[in-house]
Amino acid sequence: SQTIHQWPATLVQPVGSPLSLECTVEGTSNPNLYWYRQAAGRGLQLLFYSVGIGQISSEVPQNLSASRPQDRQFILSSKKLLLSDSGFYLCAQTGSGETQYFGPGTRLLVL
Amino acid sequence: GENVEQHPSTLSVQEGDSAVIKCTYSDSASNYFPWYKQELGKGPQLIIDIRSNVGEKKDQRIAVTLNKTAKHFSLHITETQPEDSAVYFCAASSGTYKYIFGTGTRLKVLA
Repeated sequence: SQTIHQWPATLVQPVGSPLSLECTVEGTSNPNLYWYRQAAGRGLQLLFYSVGIGQISSEVPQNLSASRPQDRQFILSSKKLLLSDSGFYLCAQTGSGETQYFGPGTRLLVL
Repeated sequence: GENVEQHPSTLSVQEGDSAVIKCTYSDSASNYFPWYKQELGKGPQLIIDIRSNVGEKKDQRIAVTLNKTAKHFSLHITETQPEDSAVYFCAASSGTYKYIFGTGTRLKVLA
């Protein structure tokens, strides 16, 4: 089964502070991993995806970055948060097929 | 660029009635079409999917139909229940493991 852990569940951060969101997955080895952002009441925006350790593809220019230090660990970071970084951040993985399974999400509020 | 249009954006039905959500995709190479249900504050959950070599798939009260010629696919929920209330997203994939998501439909089932 595909199990995804995300933490923290909620986070309130001041503008200009750093960010680190973590995602760990269980299931098949060498999964594709994804970071999405969802603004309130909106759709899903793909931020980053990774097909392997150290391999990161960025979909949109922004002040966020991603890293994959281990096969089943995906980290989303920022050096200085902006107000516009507020949102619901979702990690997803694919297993042996192309179906994406989503984690529970992290709600980030930047004040 | 490639996109997926989803309609309606909101849908209210009486309990026991049917609900239909429609999506249109632009990438003719799309061959996999998942549907997700997202409850408030949670990550999207896969509810049903269909591949391009199949015209229809059913799972209890949920069915998905695909018209490749018209590039349309639809989600059908019969005998709706209050717990079906959520936001539903369609997506299309061309096998690159990247999804193009629709903008979502907020379904309200009125008791």
